[in-house]
Amino acid sequence: NAGVMQNPRHLVRRRGQEARLRCSPMKGHSHVYWYRQLPEEGLKFMVYLQKENIIDESGMPKERFSAEFPKEGPSILRIQQVVRGDSAAYFCASSPISRGNIQYFGAGTRLSVL
Amino acid sequence: DQQVKQNSPSLSVQEGRISILNCDYTNSMFDYFLWYKKYPAEGPTFLISISSIKDKNEDGRFTVFLNKSAKHLSLHIVPSQPGDSAVYFCAPWPTPSYGQNFVFGPGTRLSVLP
Repeated sequence: NAGVMQNPRHLVRRRGQEARLRCSPMKGHSHVYWYRQLPEEGLKFMVYLQKENIIDESGMPKERFSAEFPKEGPSILRIQQVVRGDSAAYFCASSPISRGNIQYFGAGTRLSVL
Repeated sequence: DQQVKQNSPSLSVQEGRISILNCDYTNSMFDYFLWYKKYPAEGPTFLISISSIKDKNEDGRFTVFLNKSAKHLSLHIVPSQPGDSAVYFCAPWPTPSYGQNFVFGPGTRLSVLP
């Protein structure tokens, strides 16, 4: 049973480009969470999705950031017109149910904006 | 608005001794608490959890204590081993009525010295 798969592991973008981060949850998991970890900081919740639905995006910046979890395929976190401040590690987690349940994390995507 | 505090950014402990990691929270809507461990360049992994109806949960070398009236929990590792060196995050879980905003503490970096 493969774990949560994130790709790419490392992504380099120039300012103004778009970044697309992919997350395939564990088999049987229908809940996906995205977190961001800035250097020397803890994990910050960004968005919580179920298949085809955004449940909570209260941690997502209002502009340039979007997330989806389509019926088929991985969840995508999309950052448009990246800026240097977007440089961070982005972690995806999945769980079979939403409450009181362990989240299983991927290894993260490290985004570097030049 | 720091809902979860881990006031010790780092902690060094001698191998074989006890490690005590602390976590304080402000929101009484949290009713379930998880601890995650994170190694460099990896995603967090679940370690141990506790429900608010309990004041202690033990799993091998790991014990979590919860003091609801003080809004404080602690993770005890005994005996500490060099492989325990990692960053530990406290992650409270909100009640359904509060919503789904998932909060992680800023983390404590534990170093177990051989």
